[in-house]
Amino acid sequence: EAGVTQSPTHLIKTRGQQATLRCSPISGHTSVYWYQQALGLGLQFLLWYDEGEERNRGNFPPRFSGRQFPNYSSELNVNALELEDSALYLCASSWETQYFGPGTRLLVL
Amino acid sequence: TQLLEQSPQFLSIQEGENLTVYCNSSSVFSSLQWYRQEPGEGPVLLVTVVTGGEVKKLKRLTFQFGDARKDSSLHITAAQPGDTGLYLCAGAVGSSNTGKLIFGQGTTLQVKP
Repeated sequence: EAGVTQSPTHLIKTRGQQATLRCSPISGHTSVYWYQQALGLGLQFLLWYDEGEERNRGNFPPRFSGRQFPNYSSELNVNALELEDSALYLCASSWETQYFGPGTRLLVL
Repeated sequence: TQLLEQSPQFLSIQEGENLTVYCNSSSVFSSLQWYRQEPGEGPVLLVTVVTGGEVKKLKRLTFQFGDARKDSSLHITAAQPGDTGLYLCAGAVGSSNTGKLIFGQGTTLQVKP
């Protein structure tokens, strides 16, 4: 059974651009969680989607947004990129326990 | 605001030594999970504990959930270089099935041969 997959593995953008990150959960899982892991800050909860709806969001500005598709895959969009958005973005899929994908490393120059 | 205080932040030991990592909070969690993360990769789940006082063993790793479900510990016996990595504790908020996770700051473990 395939685990959580994320794409792309690496993404390089410049300030002010937009980034789109993608995640496919484990088959049968309906919830998707997004986390940001910036250097020295640990994992910070970003967004939680379940059954196509945004259920909760962390303490991040509105330029961090996303959506969940009918097949439960998800997109994270970051608008107006800032240098401090450089981080590893992790997606987790849950049934009763959260399983993480390998992450997308975003570098903003 | 729920916080998970994890200690120590860094640990460098020799192969064969024992160590304990602690995770403490003033909040009660419905479950607590331990992850191990390699550089540039996502965290890999080691164990989930859900019952106060629960003890789980995974080979040389022993995990304990506090009676009040506010704290947890990870004990590694006879550490090996392969145990090197970032260890993260995470507490589940909300229902035990779909609560979001609050992460500790992590413990970077280096085991020298």
